[in-house]
Amino acid sequence: DQQVKQNSPSLSVQEGRISILNCDYTNSMFDYFLWYKKYPAEGPTFLISISSIKDKNEDGRFTVFLNKSAKHLSLHIVPSQPGDSAVYFCAASNQAGTALIFGKGTTLSVSS
Amino acid sequence: DTAVSQTPKYLVTQMGNDKSIKCEQNLGHDTMYWYKQDSKKFLKIMFSYNNKELIINETVPNRFSPKSPDKAHLNLHINSLELGDSAVYFCASSQYSYPSEQYFGPGTRLTVT
Repeated sequence: DQQVKQNSPSLSVQEGRISILNCDYTNSMFDYFLWYKKYPAEGPTFLISISSIKDKNEDGRFTVFLNKSAKHLSLHIVPSQPGDSAVYFCAASNQAGTALIFGKGTTLSVSS
Repeated sequence: DTAVSQTPKYLVTQMGNDKSIKCEQNLGHDTMYWYKQDSKKFLKIMFSYNNKELIINETVPNRFSPKSPDKAHLNLHINSLELGDSAVYFCASSQYSYPSEQYFGPGTRLTVT
């Protein structure tokens, strides 16, 4: 039973355009959400997070949007760069548990 | 200067053997974790330690035993290895239990033949 879902296994975008990665969750108790980026043969790298008291958090080219009523979050990357090509994982947690619950990941390919 | 390190990076062994994976973090974090990424690429929590005390123990076979000699180290020992244990194991750490971003090591690819 997947509590965090990333329904798009892959996304291809041209350099300079916007990349939008989506994530849905089913557990309404989740209140802290994170995005990680992963290159092959490396560990996931933390990108950006958002608490459920906010609906947007921005860090440079990365913005995360949270829609609690829809149980949906998205990561926007603007402008996309070839170095952004990686697997992006959405993760969620709540006060009841310290572990992160991860989605299956979306592979982003940015072509120049 | 590596924040979370794991050794070895690759581990190939036969069924029935016992092996250990070591993890160290130099971030001064209080909480450390072990995750398993299986062949379907799902990252799943196995264990979580806070200040050397076990706080999460998911339904993992008791052949897996974590050991935390101090706050900076969390090792994973696996007895009687099975084919299904083949996976990538990631160690992670965070400053607090919640809410806090977790920082991951590079992973250890375990192959059981």
